[in-house]
Amino acid sequence: KAGVTQTPRYLIKTRGQQVTLSCSPISGHRSVSWYQQTPGQGLQFLFEYFSETQRNKGNFPGRFSGRQFSNSRSEMNVSTLELGDSALYLCASSPGQYMSSGNTIYFGEGSWLTVV
Amino acid sequence: GQQLNQSPQSMFIQEGEDVSMNCTSSSIFNTWLWYKQDPGEGPVLLIALYKAGELTSNGRLTAQFGITRKDSFLNISASIPSDVGIYFCAGPGNQFYFGTGTSLTVIP
Repeated sequence: KAGVTQTPRYLIKTRGQQVTLSCSPISGHRSVSWYQQTPGQGLQFLFEYFSETQRNKGNFPGRFSGRQFSNSRSEMNVSTLELGDSALYLCASSPGQYMSSGNTIYFGEGSWLTVV
Repeated sequence: GQQLNQSPQSMFIQEGEDVSMNCTSSSIFNTWLWYKQDPGEGPVLLIALYKAGELTSNGRLTAQFGITRKDSFLNISASIPSDVGIYFCAGPGNQFYFGTGTSLTVIP
């Protein structure tokens, strides 16, 4: 079974630009969540999608948005990039919603974003 | 958001030594997960625990789901250089909560 696939793996953007990151979950998984990881802040939850609906959102500004398609693939977008947005962005997939007991999430390798 | 308290923050050990780390929460969890993350890579699931008191092994790794459901422990026996990385715990609530991580360095 293929794992969670994230593209692109590395990218460099300039302040003020926008970026779109893509995530393909494990086949059969309907929940996709996104995280920002920085050395100082650890793993910070961005949002979760289940069956094309955003189910939960972390404490990030509106510049961070996402969506999920009918095939469960997901994209996240960051507009008006700032230097502080430089981070590893991780996508994770899960068979069900978070609140289900016994749920497990599996991470992709991440997309390294550098904003200059 | 809520973070799980994980200790120790970092460990420097000799190859062959055993390692113990733990995670505590102020809330009850129904699932505890342990991940390992290598530099520049995504976290990889090591062990999943679904029941209070459960003790589960995966090779040299053993993890336990605390009876109170507010803590979990991960042990690594006979450490080897490839055990180097950051280990963190996670538990589901209305979102997934993550531990602050334990950085492990194994000295050959």
